[in-house]
Amino acid sequence: TQLLEQSPQFLSIQEGENLTVYCNSSSVFSSLQWYRQEPGEGPVLLVTVVTGGEVKKLKRLTFQFGDARKDSSLHITAAQTGDTGLYLCAVHMIKAAGNKLTFGGGTRVLVKP
Amino acid sequence: EAQVTQNPRYLITVTGKKLTVTCSQNMNHEYMSWYRQDPGLGLRQIYYSMNVEVTDKGDVPEGYKVSRKEKRNFPLILESPSPNQTSLYFCASSGLPGLTNHEQYFGPGTRLTVT
Repeated sequence: TQLLEQSPQFLSIQEGENLTVYCNSSSVFSSLQWYRQEPGEGPVLLVTVVTGGEVKKLKRLTFQFGDARKDSSLHITAAQTGDTGLYLCAVHMIKAAGNKLTFGGGTRVLVKP
Repeated sequence: EAQVTQNPRYLITVTGKKLTVTCSQNMNHEYMSWYRQDPGLGLRQIYYSMNVEVTDKGDVPEGYKVSRKEKRNFPLILESPSPNQTSLYFCASSGLPGLTNHEQYFGPGTRLTVT
């Protein structure tokens, strides 16, 4: 079982539609990050959420950290073809477990014109 | 320009032939790490380093070695590569966790094929 479960694994939508992807865990985290990875490139950080219940907006992207800091969601409004990519959530494990950074399996998003 | 560089970008090799993938960053970051990315498994951390001469295992360290003799460089060494190490490898760097938001800056990736 992965520490971070992302769903769905794959999402195909038409340009202009909305979508939501999820990142869930049974563990509590002090912070959580979302990255986007485009084909042939490394992931790029979109946002870091820190406070339970926190909502952050990045243009058409809305990120929410669950109240209990165990899960997070990413909502894209009026998706564009440029939103196509692999969306990854990641958490930094507490010091007692080392200083690992763990990623979820990712959600691959395809926005069709 | 702030960046993480990896070399080579593509590598095809044979089982058992030692290889090294280099990684260098110019942002004076303390934290560096290596990941492998496989379909359906996301990014898995192989090794990480908190600073010079300080390295530790990630989630999938078997078959890999690393060293951190200089702050800017963090090479990944495969002493005896096997076909199950065929993968896409990323190097990343960041500030120290807890002191910064720990944003990872990734290199462009190295696609390794072991036959």
